Amino acid sequence: GENVEQHPSTLSVQEGDSAVIKCTYSDSASNYFPWYKQELGKGPQLIIDIRSNVGEKKDQRIAVTLNKTAKHFSLHITETQPEDSAVYFCAAYGGGADGLTFGKGTHLIIQP
Amino acid sequence: GAGVSQTPSNKVTEKGKYVELRCDPISGHTALYWYRQSLGQGPEFLIYFQGTGAADDSGLPNDRFFAVRPEGSVSTLKIQRTERGDSAVYLCASSLGPGHLSYEQYFGPGTRLTVT
Repeated sequence: GENVEQHPSTLSVQEGDSAVIKCTYSDSASNYFPWYKQELGKGPQLIIDIRSNVGEKKDQRIAVTLNKTAKHFSLHITETQPEDSAVYFCAAYGGGADGLTFGKGTHLIIQP
Repeated sequence: GAGVSQTPSNKVTEKGKYVELRCDPISGHTALYWYRQSLGQGPEFLIYFQGTGAADDSGLPNDRFFAVRPEGSVSTLKIQRTERGDSAVYLCASSLGPGHLSYEQYFGPGTRLTVT
């Protein structure tokens, strides 16, 4: 089955700086890659996603890039703000199972 | 509009007891998913419904776990003879259609299950 690796597990950046979180996947049949933000005590919130026919997608301060050949994708957050502090999860879909396969998460800390 | 809702938000039960967890998907969403999230981990897929039928239950850990969606809307996850290892947050997600038609999954707040 699909396996998703996510790095780093914790990321601390100064407010205003950029943050990058990276994920790799194992199944070349996967074709959809969402990113979720999860705050303490809440369910995951979909923040951006990308499909395998696109290399990059941007939505205001967040962007996702996908390299199908290398089987990795990344989340980029620019001009970080305190409210960006949360756990971020990458996921992959389409490799056989009907559910998403998630990474283990990155705890993003924005230092004031 | 209303998102995915789950009840109860917290459930504490004793080892060996039976529990039911409920999920109300977004209105009009035909696809429904259950996931389990252990502390410090990402959600793990349990089961997927398209309409009333369980299209993929490959993630259910054993036969103590069962889920239904009798009318194609509300779903109930049922756990028999609970064990301490079942303690986790159980998340429900819904999507507009089958995976190949609409990939975006929207999650509820989860039910935190604690087995003592």
